Amino acid sequence: AQSVTQLGSHVSVSEGALVLLRCNYSSSVPPYLFWYVQYPNQGLQLLLKYTSAATLVKGINDFEAEFKKSETSFHLTKPSAHMSDAAEYFCAVSDPPNTGGFKTIFGAGTRLFVKA
Amino acid sequence: GAVVSQHPSRVICKSGTSVKIECRSLDFQATTMFWYRQFPKKSLMLMATSNEGSKATYEQGVEKDKFLINHASLTLSTLTVTSAHPEDSSFYICSARYVGGGDSYEQYFGPGTRLTVT
Repeated sequence: AQSVTQLGSHVSVSEGALVLLRCNYSSSVPPYLFWYVQYPNQGLQLLLKYTSAATLVKGINDFEAEFKKSETSFHLTKPSAHMSDAAEYFCAVSDPPNTGGFKTIFGAGTRLFVKA
Repeated sequence: GAVVSQHPSRVICKSGTSVKIECRSLDFQATTMFWYRQFPKKSLMLMATSNEGSKATYEQGVEKDKFLINHASLTLSTLTVTSAHPEDSSFYICSARYVGGGDSYEQYFGPGTRLTVT
């Protein structure tokens, strides 16, 4: 069964500092991995996705994530935090479509706080 | 990009009544839509997978008679919370999966519906 673990329910950084949100996954097949952002009382917006191509994935708003199979990790980073980055971030995993899978499993989420 | 809408965005209802939430894919066709429930400060819990023209597949522990799902067309799925109780109060989010093409694995999420049962 697939699962996702996000380390740290809350992360606080200063504006301009590096953002690092951790995600580890478990999957019996090569996974598809996603990072989503959610602002209060809104739906989810896709930041980036890994679909078995390049292991370093670049997304919107200067976010990027690196797929590391040996570590079963897909950590999200951003070089310089902005106040507008304060939100809830979810890591998610799904089976590739060619395996018949399509369910997406979400991690518990990490709340990012950005201090001025 | 692909847009998914939900209606209503907020609803307050009395205990014992039923509430219908609509999920529409506005500019693409979706054979599959998903319904999630999100408790305060928690992650999304998949409730059911809705396929156009067939019965929904419910996750373990989700009461199918309480949460009725209808996927009548390639652009519309509805979730009806029947005989709502205060414990049904939550944020309900739908997503739609794009039909075909290279991005067929990707889900597009609606903005969510806040249900409050008094």
